[in-house]
Amino acid sequence: EIVLTQSPGTLSLSPGERATLSCRASQSVSSSYLAWYQQKPGQAPRLLIYGASSRATGIPDRFSGSGSGTDFTLTISRLEPEDFAVYYCQQYGSSPRITFGQGTRLEIK
Amino acid sequence: EVQLVETGGGLIQPGGSLRLSCAASGFTVSSNYMSWVRQAPGKGLEWVSVIYSGGSTYYADSVKGRFTISRDNSKNTLYLQMNSLRAEDTAVYYCARDLRIVGRKDYYYMDVWGKGTTVTVSS
Repeated sequence: EIVLTQSPGTLSLSPGERATLSCRASQSVSSSYLAWYQQKPGQAPRLLIYGASSRATGIPDRFSGSGSGTDFTLTISRLEPEDFAVYYCQQYGSSPRITFGQGTRLEIK
Repeated sequence: EVQLVETGGGLIQPGGSLRLSCAASGFTVSSNYMSWVRQAPGKGLEWVSVIYSGGSTYYADSVKGRFTISRDNSKNTLYLQMNSLRAEDTAVYYCARDLRIVGRKDYYYMDVWGKGTTVTVSS
């Protein structure tokens, strides 16, 4: 099973700052099978990025994804108040089984 | 509008059974891969099960042999039958459309999610 490890566990930043979230896989994952989700309290996850770097429909361009192999990154260029949430990476590299990272909580400093 | 609505959650005693439903609108369940994902209180997301458009089914090791995923094409609804429930199955259960785009470049991701239904296993 491919394990995804996200870091940091919690990231404290201010609106307007840049956020960099990391997702590391225990073995190589095709970028085609790497996605990022945002989850706010009491809500379902929302797809942000698929294919490691493609933004989902309606996602602002301040969100970007990059990476390959075992190291992937979600970057939020300038934080807006509504961006403070928990972020999860997800992989299908060991399909049919799917795994999520443990999440990074982005909180207001 | 593309939408998923889960129902069927509740309080159940350990060892009991429960069936969750996920009604889809705006797209056809049987033409898509569909997954169940759960989230224990204060924890992260855990994939539970998937049913392929062709009918193949797969499960996380934590639920294999106890949970069964299925669908009713006439009702455009996905199900999760949960038997021999344990305290550790307590979670919000989400259904999601599990897109597998195969072409010049493949893309796999969950693009539509329901709001979830809460299952509490406790005596």
